[in-house]
Amino acid sequence: AQTVTQSQPEMSVQEAETVTLSCTYDTSESDYYLFWYKQPPSRQMILVIRQEAYKQQNATENRFSVNFQKAAKSFSLKISDSQLGDAAMYFCAYRRGNTPLVFGKGTRLSVIA
Amino acid sequence: KAGVTQTPRYLIKTRGQQVTLSCSPISGHRSVSWYQQTPGQGLQFLFEYFSETQRNKGNFPGRFSGRQFSNSRSEMNVSTLELGDSALYLCASSLASGGLVQETQYFGPGTRLLVL
Repeated sequence: AQTVTQSQPEMSVQEAETVTLSCTYDTSESDYYLFWYKQPPSRQMILVIRQEAYKQQNATENRFSVNFQKAAKSFSLKISDSQLGDAAMYFCAYRRGNTPLVFGKGTRLSVIA
Repeated sequence: KAGVTQTPRYLIKTRGQQVTLSCSPISGHRSVSWYQQTPGQGLQFLFEYFSETQRNKGNFPGRFSGRQFSNSRSEMNVSTLELGDSALYLCASSLASGGLVQETQYFGPGTRLLVL
């Protein structure tokens, strides 16, 4: 079964600085999708960014970008110019085809003013 | 376009009771998935419905059931509630066309269930 591992339970970053959240996954498939979701204190799960495994180019969304290393099965999230509103739980997730999303345990990010 | 909506947002029940949660997907989305989130187990998949049919099911006891209506709205039911059912229940919807469901899921705000 596919597994997703987030090895950093908690991280902190100074406002305006850059932080990278780590994620590794285990799969024998070659075609799949990876996601980062943000869950602020409101508990609403918000899609941050997605990456198709067949694409070599790393996805970017404004201040958010990923470093996708398919061979290493690594999918890290970089947040640039961190803002107070970025404070949240971040979940890495994997999905292949119509199978359910598989989530990591999450990383709690604190942003220090 | 309105997002995924879930009702109720908060619920308090006692052991042995049953509960029904509702989810309305984004307009045009035909796939609805349900997840349970607890501090101990994290996010766990319950089931997925597409075109009123259950397509995937997670590893939960039969007390957990669901259904989807012709307008894509979905309900999940938990019977004979246990203390361990206290959790945040999240619903997510995906766009689908031609029988294929897109991979990106959009989540609702969740229903927080407390079982006393």
